[in-house]
Amino acid sequence: KNEVEQSPQNLTAQEGEFITINCSYSVGISALHWLQQHPGGGIVSLFMLSSGKKKHGRLIATINIQEKHSSLHITASHPRDSAVYICAVFHQGAQKLVFGQGTRLTINP
Amino acid sequence: DVKVTQSSRYLVKRTGEKVFLECVQDMDHENMFWYRQDPGLGLRLIYFSYDVKMKEKGDIPEGYSVSREKKERFSLILESASTNQTSMYLCASSLGGFSNQPQHFGDGTRLSIL
Repeated sequence: KNEVEQSPQNLTAQEGEFITINCSYSVGISALHWLQQHPGGGIVSLFMLSSGKKKHGRLIATINIQEKHSSLHITASHPRDSAVYICAVFHQGAQKLVFGQGTRLTINP
Repeated sequence: DVKVTQSSRYLVKRTGEKVFLECVQDMDHENMFWYRQDPGLGLRLIYFSYDVKMKEKGDIPEGYSVSREKKERFSLILESASTNQTSMYLCASSLGGFSNQPQHFGDGTRLSIL
C-alpha cells in the first residue's frame, strides 16, 4: 500500500464547478505539500501546510492531522486549472518527501 | 523567483551511452534533488545533495550517479543508459532544513533511450 494515496485518480468537470481532491497518508509527517503539474512537465508548489487551512485565490487547502487527511479545493473552476495535482508529505522518519500518484483534472468549457 | 533550469526538455540517446542531465538553480539553495516520474508510480527520488560535494542515495539510485562540484549545479549521470531509464527526470532545489522548505522544480527532461 502506498504511503500517500490520492483520490480520485482522474476527474473531469465542467467550468464553474467546485472541485475537491483528497489526499490520505499513513506516516508521521511534519508538512504536506500540494503541487501542480501542467502538460509539458513543470511542477509548481501551491501550498505547504502543517495544520489548518490555507487559501490562495480560488484554491483552498485543508489538513486534518488526526485523521491524516488533506483536501485541495478549487472554487469556480476554469479550463486553465486543468493539470495534474500532486500531494506530497514530508516523512518525519525517512526525512524525505513522499509523493502521491497525482490526480489528473480536466475542466471542460 | 527561484529559477531551476534543466539543460534539455527532450533528449534521445542510445542504449549503452553515458548520459548527462544538468540542473542549475539561481537562489543559492543548499539542497538539490533528482527525481524520475513514471506513469502510475509518481515521483521517486534518485539522489539528493545537501551541500557541495555531498550526495545521498534516494530510493532508486541504481544505474545513476551524481555530481555537485558547485553549489548551483547538480548533475545526474546515467553511466550506461538502458531502455528502462526512459522517463521524465525532474530536478528540484530547496533551502537548507528539509521539512519546512518548499522544493522548487525545473521543467523536466523527457529522456528516451532507444
